[in-house]
Amino acid sequence: AQTVTQSQPEMSVQEAETVTLSCTYDTSESDYYLFWYKQPPSRQMILVIRQEAYKQQNATENRFSVNFQKAAKSFSLKISDSQLGDAAMYFCAYRSYDYAYSGAGSYQLTFGKGTKLSVIP
Amino acid sequence: EAQVTQNPRYLITVTGKKLTVTCSQNMNHEYMSWYRQDPGLGLRQIYYSMNVEVTDKGDVPEGYKVSRKEKRNFPLILESPSPNQTSLYFCASRGTRSSYEQYFGPGTRLTVT
Repeated sequence: AQTVTQSQPEMSVQEAETVTLSCTYDTSESDYYLFWYKQPPSRQMILVIRQEAYKQQNATENRFSVNFQKAAKSFSLKISDSQLGDAAMYFCAYRSYDYAYSGAGSYQLTFGKGTKLSVIP
Repeated sequence: EAQVTQNPRYLITVTGKKLTVTCSQNMNHEYMSWYRQDPGLGLRQIYYSMNVEVTDKGDVPEGYKVSRKEKRNFPLILESPSPNQTSLYFCASRGTRSSYEQYFGPGTRLTVT
């Protein structure tokens, strides 16, 4: 079974600064997806960014980018120019790739325990 | 608007009183799941469904039941709720292609006293 570890339960960043959230995972699979989800106080789960394991290029979405190190099984999220609205719980998640006759893992997101990010004005 | 809806959003109940949390999606998705979120534990999958009448257990299925009689609906049933089922519950759905995004409902805050 896959596991996802977020080693930083809480972090803080000054507004307009850059912060990096860490995530490591354990898997024996070669094809999979990695995600970062944001959960603001409204509790809604919002997809921030997605990375396909077969892509070497790191995914980027505006101020959000990842550092995907497949060999090291590391998937960190960098938030640039932090804004007050970035304050939230952030979850790293793993999902197996859907092959034609895939196992249960492809139907499941495996989440880390989350990192609570505070943004200081 | 593409969305996953859950009802109720908040529920306080007593031990042993059967309850159902409904989940509905309007995107014709085949895959649906239920997760529970607890402080310090992240989200954990309870049950999932690959299509109508096809369901299977996730990581924490004890004390829960599900059914999938229609493609759009995937209710979560607690036959005899206990205080350790106090949690935040999320329903999610996704299409069959690997690249498809998983959509989450708004969550249901359940308290069992």
